[in-house]
Amino acid sequence: GDSVTQMEGPVTLSEEAFLTINCTYTATGYPSLFWYVQYPGEGLQLLLKATKADDKGSNKGFEATYRKETTSFHLEKGSVQVSDSAVYFCALSDLQAGTALIFGKGTTLSVSS
Amino acid sequence: SQTIHQWPATLVQPVGSPLSLECTVEGTSNPNLYWYRQAAGRGLQLLFYSVGIGQISSEVPQNLSASRPQDRQFILSSKKLLLSDSGFYLCAWRQGPWNTEAFFGQGTRLTVV
Repeated sequence: GDSVTQMEGPVTLSEEAFLTINCTYTATGYPSLFWYVQYPGEGLQLLLKATKADDKGSNKGFEATYRKETTSFHLEKGSVQVSDSAVYFCALSDLQAGTALIFGKGTTLSVSS
Repeated sequence: SQTIHQWPATLVQPVGSPLSLECTVEGTSNPNLYWYRQAAGRGLQLLFYSVGIGQISSEVPQNLSASRPQDRQFILSSKKLLLSDSGFYLCAWRQGPWNTEAFFGQGTRLTVV
């Protein structure tokens, strides 16, 4: 079945460092891909998305490119801030897999000043 | 604009007691509705989803049930809680085709004691 694999956390960075969180997927169809962010004690918020190969989603300085050849959707940010500390989830939606989003296990990011 | 409400925000219940968590969506009609559970280190687990009134699909057989008595209302229930039911429960909705994003409520932190 469809699945999403994220790099294990936690990821600990200093402010202004470069961030990469790896995400790879397995899908039977042609999925759409998403990154969500969860701040402590809150629900998930959509960060960015991409619906077809080579699309780049971007928001708040974060970017991710849909790479069909490597089945990847890595999240990047050039200069992280303390306020970026949160849990990040990669997810996919595949018509073949039904109506729900399938999530990775999440990666905790901690940024210190 | 669309909004999703989920309550209560926190709940402490004894083992063997019943459970009822409620989720409502405003500003849209005929949404797909979802219940997820988030346990520490295990990401998001899809529990139930519904594509219409009275239509419930269960992803994981367990001690919980769901109902959709109205178009924009989704209820998660249990007759007798177990310790293992503790976790963070998230309601989500989605509109339209499979490649659209889902929107999440703020979540309910359930502790079974």
